[in-house]
Amino acid sequence: GAGVSQSPSNKVTEKGKDVELRCDPISGHTALYWYRQSLGQGLEFLIYFQGNSAPDKSGLPSDRFSAERTGGSVSTLTIQRTQQEDSAVYLCASSLSSQGDTQYFGPGTRLTVL
Amino acid sequence: DQQVKQNSPSLSVQEGRISILNCDYTNSMFDYFLWYKKYPAEGPTFLISISSIKDKNEDGRFTVFLNKSAKHLSLHIVPSQPGDSAVYFCAASDSGTYKYIFGTGTRLKVLA
Repeated sequence: GAGVSQSPSNKVTEKGKDVELRCDPISGHTALYWYRQSLGQGLEFLIYFQGNSAPDKSGLPSDRFSAERTGGSVSTLTIQRTQQEDSAVYLCASSLSSQGDTQYFGPGTRLTVL
Repeated sequence: DQQVKQNSPSLSVQEGRISILNCDYTNSMFDYFLWYKKYPAEGPTFLISISSIKDKNEDGRFTVFLNKSAKHLSLHIVPSQPGDSAVYFCAASDSGTYKYIFGTGTRLKVLA
């Protein structure tokens, strides 16, 4: 079946602009995660959605970052007033549920802020 | 404070030989560990996992070893193949939570 998909695959933007990144999880997966990987770093947890529960936003680096998940499926990560340090690969993952289930990753969106 | 560390950024191994990738962790609450493989321009792909109740898990050419007292895990690939060339990330979690903590990755190059 289809895996996790993300769009766009690449995004170049100017400092100060807003960007939206999209994630389509695997059908039937109730848990959805956003991570980012900056150059030379590991994957950094950003936010987690599970069903209709309130998301865990503890990993969001600043209030310029927000995410929503509509209808328990598609998720959008929004970065407002982008800064150069926001440049990274943003990865989305989904899992069947949350406790102990393997997370399956999408291909990522490479964001470059000029 | 890096809770999961992969101290070797890169490793080169001859085809057919064993590749050993290492990972250390500091949080004693971690009880579930995973290895992911990542090719360029693709997302990480799940490879193998191990629960803290075990010290070894094997899947084909891939074996993960866990040494809880040393807070160390390793991934062995035998025999190594050129297609194994990728970046390997280890990750750890406390099974009571859903957050994976990832290491910074080790780039493996298998030479033909």
